[in-house]
Amino acid sequence: AQSVTQLDSQVPVFEEAPVELRCNYSSSVSVYLFWYVQYPNQGLQLLLKYLSGSTLVKGINGFEAEFNKSQTSFHLRKPSVHISDTAEYFCAVRLANAGGTSYGKLTFGQGTILTVHP
Amino acid sequence: DTAVSQTPKYLVTQMGNDKSIKCEQNLGHDTMYWYKQDSKKFLKIMFSYNNKELIINETVPNRFSPKSPDKAHLNLHINSLELGDSAVYFCASSHPNLASGGALETQYFGPGTRLLVL
Repeated sequence: AQSVTQLDSQVPVFEEAPVELRCNYSSSVSVYLFWYVQYPNQGLQLLLKYLSGSTLVKGINGFEAEFNKSQTSFHLRKPSVHISDTAEYFCAVRLANAGGTSYGKLTFGQGTILTVHP
Repeated sequence: DTAVSQTPKYLVTQMGNDKSIKCEQNLGHDTMYWYKQDSKKFLKIMFSYNNKELIINETVPNRFSPKSPDKAHLNLHINSLELGDSAVYFCASSHPNLASGGALETQYFGPGTRLLVL
């Protein structure tokens, strides 16, 4: 079975500083990778996803992530954060070409709370 | 226009009661999901329905019973509530891409229902 580990539960950072949120996964088969953001009292919103092709994927709000197969990582980065980026971020995996009872099933990490200070 | 909505937003109830959480999506999606986010922020899928048919049924106590009266609704009924049921429950929906095993579709999440069992 696949699993996801987000290495930092909380990341404080100053406004306009760069940030990296770390995500490692474990799976015996190919997976697709996702980052979701959850603003306070809201549902999850997809930031970006990696399915295939270029290992550097760009998402909304200036975020990007790089898939590293050898290190089984999918770290999320932003070169300059804003106060409005304060939220909780979730990394998730899904089995590639999953069918049957695994169809659409996302496995999430435990989340990283990003707090941007002025 | 809320894409995926859940009611109620907050639910406080006594142990042993039966309660329902409702989910509606106006995106025209065929697939809907229920996720549970526990106190440690772990998000785990519970159920998914495609076109009113159950696809994913994770290891969830049979006190939890999803019901899909039509494609736009997926309700969650919980019998004999226990303290450990306290969590945030998220509904999500997506338009299926069967060829990719669900990987190419984006899941849209509702705002969550915060359930507290006393």
